[in-house]
Amino acid sequence: SYVLTQPPSVSVAPGKTARITCGGNNIGSKSVHWYQQKPGQAPVLVIYYDSDRPSGIPERFSGSNSGNTATLTISRVEAGDEADYYCQVWDSSSDHPYVVFGGGTKLTVL
Amino acid sequence: QVQLQESGPGLVKPSQTLSLTCTVSGGSISSGSYYWSWIRQPAGKGLEWIGRIYTSGSTNYNPSLKSRVTISVDTSKNQFSLKLSSVTAADTAVYYCARTEQECSGGSCYWGGFDYWGQGTLVTVSS
Repeated sequence: SYVLTQPPSVSVAPGKTARITCGGNNIGSKSVHWYQQKPGQAPVLVIYYDSDRPSGIPERFSGSNSGNTATLTISRVEAGDEADYYCQVWDSSSDHPYVVFGGGTKLTVL
Repeated sequence: QVQLQESGPGLVKPSQTLSLTCTVSGGSISSGSYYWSWIRQPAGKGLEWIGRIYTSGSTNYNPSLKSRVTISVDTSKNQFSLKLSSVTAADTAVYYCARTEQECSGGSCYWGGFDYWGQGTLVTVSS
């Protein structure tokens, strides 16, 4: 089965740039979606199809995907960005596509 | 604005069947090219996709849960449902329902992210 690997934690100072990676075998050939989840809340889609932002998501959030690594970049990090972040792909290598989530990365704003 | 709301028992005994329903409001469950999924999250852990259904009734399940999962849809009620059989304590989690859209071009289909989620409902498996 397809595996997505995320660092358990990333720390960044306010105003700096946070980069959260998502590793997978040839992930660049797949579409990656990213979610932000704050404690006690449902996840929120922040990036879809590698680099598109849903309406209402700040331009500070961006994404890229190439080779074996997809990256969520958060510029000018704010205290309110502190949350868990998950990457997700659809594995459609068989006739029965299914969803794979990364293990999640806790973003701490110092 | 589409809204999803999970409902069902918050406590299920071991070996029994967990049953949840997701009610969709603000739009028809049959409109567009949307797939409707169940996702769960044990306390302090990550997200796990359980499965999805299209309004035609076509389903896909997580291979690790496939033998115990049934997802169905009732378009007349704008609802879809989850049944998970033979539950154990390991099935204790917050269960979410969510929506994703399919896009097809050039003979290939792709699925976007989960753009709408329910608030989640905690199901505890305990005697």
